[in-house]
Amino acid sequence: EVQLLESGGGLVQPGGSLRLSCAASGFTLRRYVMGWVRQAPGKGLEWLSIISASGDATYYADSVKGRFTISRDNSKNTLYLQMNSLRAEDTALYYCAKDVNGDFPPLYYGMDVWGQGTTVTVS
Amino acid sequence: SYVLTQPPSVSVAPGQTARITCGGNNIESKSVQWYQQKTGQAPVVVVYDDSDRPSGIPERFSGSNSGNTATLTISRVEGGDEADYYCQVWDSSSDHRVFGGGTKLTVL
Repeated sequence: EVQLLESGGGLVQPGGSLRLSCAASGFTLRRYVMGWVRQAPGKGLEWLSIISASGDATYYADSVKGRFTISRDNSKNTLYLQMNSLRAEDTALYYCAKDVNGDFPPLYYGMDVWGQGTTVTVS
Repeated sequence: SYVLTQPPSVSVAPGQTARITCGGNNIESKSVQWYQQKTGQAPVVVVYDDSDRPSGIPERFSGSNSGNTATLTISRVEGGDEADYYCQVWDSSSDHRVFGGGTKLTVL
């Protein structure tokens, strides 16, 4: 079964840092584009970042560029999101998601597998 | 940056057809995905590349994209279709993935 399991969320003070992890199983991570999406309480989905299958290309939303860093270790089947200089407005449920394929940039299709999310609270 | 506009809510009676729109400048030139998110659950893709349906998604779900509006159509709506629905595209000018604000579908 194809699964994504996020971890690393928690309560952090403003200005602090957290590193989220997303463990992939049931598929070969190195073949797919991966990304992070968040959802603030009661709000809609907000795209954060995306990384190519090999890890050599990344893009970020303006709201997190310069503060967040996406990375991956294909040998460990794991995706990461390093979050620095956290703000109250970063409080949200953070999802990792797998793209349909390895095309980068992903002009077509989108995300076909999502984790259940990990909660980040900045307070 | 590219903006996708969705109506905040759509209501429909069981058995009827729901249409959820997603507006964007020349959106027909982009590939549109639609995600369903039920309360307390992660999103699930129900349509990708404008009108393709992933395996396991009922044929009642269909998509179209023309001009400045993409549309998700849900035929013969059931109570289990009640959810938030989001459209999404890739904006090549900014290299950003963009989501619409979401539409809450209520089954009366």
